[in-house]
Amino acid sequence: DAKTTQPPSMDCAEGRAANLPCNHSTISGNEYVYWYRQIHSQGPQYIIHGLKNNETNEMASLIITEDRKSSTLILPHATLRDTAVYYCIVREYNFNKFYFGSGTKLNVKP
Amino acid sequence: DAGVIQSPRHEVTEMGQEVTLRCKPISGHNSLFWYRQTMMRGLELLIYFNNNVPIDDSGMPEDRFSAKMPNASFSTLKIQPSEPRDSAVYFCASSQGLNEQFFGPGTRLTVL
Repeated sequence: DAKTTQPPSMDCAEGRAANLPCNHSTISGNEYVYWYRQIHSQGPQYIIHGLKNNETNEMASLIITEDRKSSTLILPHATLRDTAVYYCIVREYNFNKFYFGSGTKLNVKP
Repeated sequence: DAGVIQSPRHEVTEMGQEVTLRCKPISGHNSLFWYRQTMMRGLELLIYFNNNVPIDDSGMPEDRFSAKMPNASFSTLKIQPSEPRDSAVYFCASSQGLNEQFFGPGTRLTVL
């Protein structure tokens, strides 16, 4: 079962930052937070993951609260191609299974 | 790297027929996953293999579904007999150990 809660949809203006929230209030100490996205029926695409520190890569930044009960994925300059369903997933460190919830449908508008 | 390769990309069959979906993982990856995606149930993990051995098949819906991984570069998911409720997009993914999973383009299955 998915251990995360995400808003079903969000809008973002092209060129602005998209901030996607995720609640994972029951997360335990050995569980990572992963973000994937799925663009229009393509296979899901890995974005970023973290344990407790904030992380940044070429695609996005991941901000995890100090108590680790929630996180935010930030796309710094959203483009139309970022329109997708974004999944926040909690995964136990030694447990190689992902549970995909409903995700957030991000609509980037011109 | 070609990424995860799945075939066929689309399959239309009639109820009762056998369906075989194929997957070639990324070279060097030792974990392989089969997922199913429907509007009603979202993306579900069916089974995953580690070093060609099935580790967890708790997501396989029933005995009509079977999966094999005869070697590190090939896996099949078979449905026999197929039913209309099996219509879905089936994704294969691979990873190197516990690292991120890379997904294939999927096979869209329609059972009439």
